[in-house]
Order: sequence, then structure tokens, then C-alpha cells
Amino acid sequence: QVQLVESGGGVVQPGRSLRLSCAASGFTFSDFGMHWVRQAPGKGLEWVAGIWFDGSNKYYVDSVKGRFTISRDNSKNTLYLQMSTLRADDTGVYYCARPYGGNAVFDYWGQGTLVTVSS
Amino acid sequence: DIQMTQSPSTLSASVGDRVTITCRASQSISSWLAWYQQKPGKAPKLLIYKASSLESGVPSRFSGSGSGTEFTLTISSLQPDDFAAYYCQHYNSYPATFGQGTKVEIK
Repeated sequence: QVQLVESGGGVVQPGRSLRLSCAASGFTFSDFGMHWVRQAPGKGLEWVAGIWFDGSNKYYVDSVKGRFTISRDNSKNTLYLQMSTLRADDTGVYYCARPYGGNAVFDYWGQGTLVTVSS
Repeated sequence: DIQMTQSPSTLSASVGDRVTITCRASQSISSWLAWYQQKPGKAPKLLIYKASSLESGVPSRFSGSGSGTEFTLTISSLQPDDFAAYYCQHYNSYPATFGQGTKVEIK
């Protein structure tokens, strides 16, 4: 069965960096684009970034452009989100999500990893 | 960027009620719209894609309709398991934005 397991969250000071990972199993990872979606405490969902199946194209929400980098290692079935210059408003649960077909509609989600940006 | 606006933000209803949630896009997104259900502390669950297609395993009391800029999610007879937050999301282009959510509460 499809499994997505995020890791790497934690408490980090403003301005510092953090790398999230998402380990995928139960499907052919290299056939699918992948995405990160986040949710601030008590707030709604926000799509953050997406990457094509082969890593050739990447997309970001404006608020993270230039600070976050999405990447993948198909040999390790792992998705990454490198986050730098973190701000308090980056605080939240970060989910990795697998899209249904070639579109950014998500039929499988991980359990999420909490990132807290605080001094 | 395309903005998605959901209404209402909160809805109080009883078991057995018919419930309708509306989602409006700031520009046409054809039928590139999905609906998700989220319970506290859990990841979202896909209910509807392409505006009206029911995801496998989702009960038939859930239905979606609309195209262009106006969409609805309907629960024909609200069940105890349906009290949750619901989000629409467009996937017409990047960024794939979500609505702000609708919380369905017990009346």
C-alpha cells in the first residue's frame, strides 16, 4: 500500500535552515510528481511546492520562492524540502502528497511533520 | 494567482441534514477542482476530483458539481463521521490554492 512518511521537523530559530524528507513506498516513486502542502496551527491548507517525476520542473508558492527548494532522489524514493531563512509564518505541519494522475490533486498524504520557527 | 473563496466558514447541522458548501474561483478553472475532508490531527482525505468525480471508497452521499468559477459540495444526509473541515482546491495552474475551509459542526 502507498505510504508517505515525513521526517525532519522540529524547532528552529528564525533565519535558520531545516530539511524535510518524505520517504515513499508502495508505488513506483519515479513515475509520479510530488508535492509539499503545509498547514499553520489552526489554519487552512497551503500548497507550498511541487516537482515533476524526473525533477526537471519545480513550482513554488510566492511566499517561499528563493527560500525553499524542493528536490527528489528517485534512487532512494525520497522527496525533500530544503527550507532556509525560516520565518515565524513558516510554522506549521508540512505534508508530502502524491498527486492523482498528472495533476496537482492529492490522493495520498503523509502524516505530516511539525516545523516550529521560534526564538 | 487564482483565489478560492469558500462559504460558509462554519456550518452547524444535524445528523440527516442535507449540507451544501460553496467554493468560488477568482477566474475560470474549468472543472479542475477538488474537495477534501480533514479531521483534527489528521491529513486531508480526497473526496471529489474534477469537480464531480467521486474518489474511490468515498460514500455516495458526497457529491460535487459546478464548472468555471462556481462549485458546490453536497452531503445528502449528514452522518456522525462527516463532522469535519472541508476544503476546496483548484489545480488549473500553479500555485494550486485551497479555499479557507468550512468547518461542519454538530448543531
